[in-house]
Amino acid sequence: KAGVTQTPRYLIKTRGQQVTLSCSPISGHRSVSWYQQTPGQGLQFLFEYFSETQRNKGNFPGRFSGRQFSNSRSEMNVSTLELGDSALYLCASSQRYQETQYFGPGTRLLVL
Amino acid sequence: QQQVKQSPQSLIVQKGGISIINCAYENTAFDYFPWYQQFPGKGPALLIAIRPDVSEKKEGRFTISFNKSAKQFSLHIMDSQPGDSATYFCAATRTSGSRLTFGEGTQLTVNP
Repeated sequence: KAGVTQTPRYLIKTRGQQVTLSCSPISGHRSVSWYQQTPGQGLQFLFEYFSETQRNKGNFPGRFSGRQFSNSRSEMNVSTLELGDSALYLCASSQRYQETQYFGPGTRLLVL
Repeated sequence: QQQVKQSPQSLIVQKGGISIINCAYENTAFDYFPWYQQFPGKGPALLIAIRPDVSEKKEGRFTISFNKSAKQFSLHIMDSQPGDSATYFCAATRTSGSRLTFGEGTQLTVNP
């Protein structure tokens, strides 16, 4: 079974721009979570989606948003990018809500 | 109350030795404790996980020890190998939600 797929793998943006990251979960998985990983703050939870509904949200500003489609694929969007948004953004999927999560390789975002 | 504290930050072990990484949590509502292994350029991969109803779980060379009263758990890697060199994260979550709270990470180096 293919793992979690994230696109693009690398991205360079400038301050003030917006960005959309995509995540395709493992086939049959219906829950998708997003995490931000930085050297300073470590791994931090952004949000979780199940059956196209946001079930949990982390402590991030409203510039960070996401959605999930009927095929369980998910996107996250960051608007008005700031330098501090430079990070590895990780997507994780699980078969059902509240189950073991499996991570993708991440999208590395660099904001200049 | 949502924090998970992990130590040490870095660890150097000789091949064949035992690597020990410790974590402590505050939130008694946490009831699922996974460990993830992350190699450079990759997303975290689930290594082993434990629930508080058992004090120890072993899978191959990897063992989790859990002390519910002390709110501490640890990862032991027996017969450490150079291929085990990676960053290890402990995490915790509640069954009422899937959001993982991660420790700060431990960079393990196993010298040949």
